[in-house]
Amino acid sequence: GAGVSQSPRYKVAKRGQDVALRCDPISGHVSLFWYQQALGQGPEFLTYFQNEAQLDKSGLPSDRFFAERPEGSVSTLKIQRTQQEDSAVYLCASSLLRQARSYEQYFGPGTRLTVT
Amino acid sequence: RKEVEQDPGPFNVPEGATVAFNCTYSNSASQSFFWYRQDCRKEPKLLMSVYSSGNEDGRFTAQLNRASQYISLLIRDSKLSDSATYLCVVKAAGNKLTFGGGTRVLVKP
Repeated sequence: GAGVSQSPRYKVAKRGQDVALRCDPISGHVSLFWYQQALGQGPEFLTYFQNEAQLDKSGLPSDRFFAERPEGSVSTLKIQRTQQEDSAVYLCASSLLRQARSYEQYFGPGTRLTVT
Repeated sequence: RKEVEQDPGPFNVPEGATVAFNCTYSNSASQSFFWYRQDCRKEPKLLMSVYSSGNEDGRFTAQLNRASQYISLLIRDSKLSDSATYLCVVKAAGNKLTFGGGTRVLVKP
């Protein structure tokens, strides 16, 4: 079946621009996560949704970052007034609430954001 | 200090050899442990969960030492296709995963 999809795959933004990154999770997956991965680093947690409820946004680096999942499926991560330090790959992952013996998050291919 | 620490490598491994590497975690309340694999410019994919008693999946063996707070991964009979970055992942209470910085493995003919 279809995996997690993200769009756009690549985004170049001028410093100060607003951007919106989209994630389509696997159909039926209740949980949705956003991570930020800087070059040469592991992914860092940003925020987590269970259905439409944002249960954890402790990883969002500033109030310029905002995420929503209004109908409990597609999610959008918005970054306002982008800065150069926002340049990274933004990964979306989805999962069932809990699977037997493992807790697998399935990742999308990511959106590579470059702020110039 | 990062919550999950890994040797970044690279580990240069001859094809057919065995390679092993560890990661350490600082949160003693961590409950679940995983190894993810990430190929260059691709998304992470679950390689295997790590259980307290240790577990094996084909050529891959994972071990967990709760007392010393470290996790290990051993790859036997390395294949060229094992070249990747291996991410150590820890989950405490709640749902978020905490990733290490990754260990790069290069298998050479």
